[in-house]
Amino acid sequence: EAGVTQFPSHSVIEKGQTVTLRCDPISGHDNLYWYRRVMGKEIKFLLHFVKESKQDESGMPNNRFLAERTGGTYSTLKVQPAELEDSGVYFCASSSNTGHEQYFGPGTRLTVT
Amino acid sequence: GQSLEQPSEVTAVEGAIVQINCTYQTSGFYGLSWYQQHDGGAPTFLSYNALDGLEETGRFSSFLSRSDSYGYLLLQELQMKDSASYFCAVQDRDTGRRALTFGSGTRLQVQP
Repeated sequence: EAGVTQFPSHSVIEKGQTVTLRCDPISGHDNLYWYRRVMGKEIKFLLHFVKESKQDESGMPNNRFLAERTGGTYSTLKVQPAELEDSGVYFCASSSNTGHEQYFGPGTRLTVT
Repeated sequence: GQSLEQPSEVTAVEGAIVQINCTYQTSGFYGLSWYQQHDGGAPTFLSYNALDGLEETGRFSSFLSRSDSYGYLLLQELQMKDSASYFCAVQDRDTGRRALTFGSGTRLQVQP
């Protein structure tokens, strides 16, 4: 069974540009989460999808961040326009409707210069 | 709101036992999870405690005391590969949110 995959693994962009991150969850997992870890700090929740619906987006920092999960499969997270403070590692995780474990992807390291 | 506290760094030698503590404050407790993250890697689930007591999984054990809002992760027979960051995390039962709130992480360095 394939794990959670994320693309790209690294992205370096200039302030003001747009970046789109992609996450493919484990097949059959209805729950998909986005998290972010800024250098040296804790992993912070951004939002949670159940299938294609946004269940909880309380962690989204501002309206420069837009997440979608069309069709309830893969998800994208777009940052537009990017700011310096958006730099960090963006993790995607998925989980089934039972159990407590969340399966994390390898992350996308975003650097905004 | 929720907050968790854990030590920032712990150092131990190969073969030893190390305990990483976590205290939490949450309006509605729903269980304490532990995740391991190697540098540049993905957080990986280690354990989950919903009830008081000790859960053992191989060399790793996790303990929870709900009355004290406290838990710990115990790593035995330390190996070099255990060098990583360890995060405790909670979910909020009152709101039903499945999102994890993480502590700031404990960096474990295992020395030969």
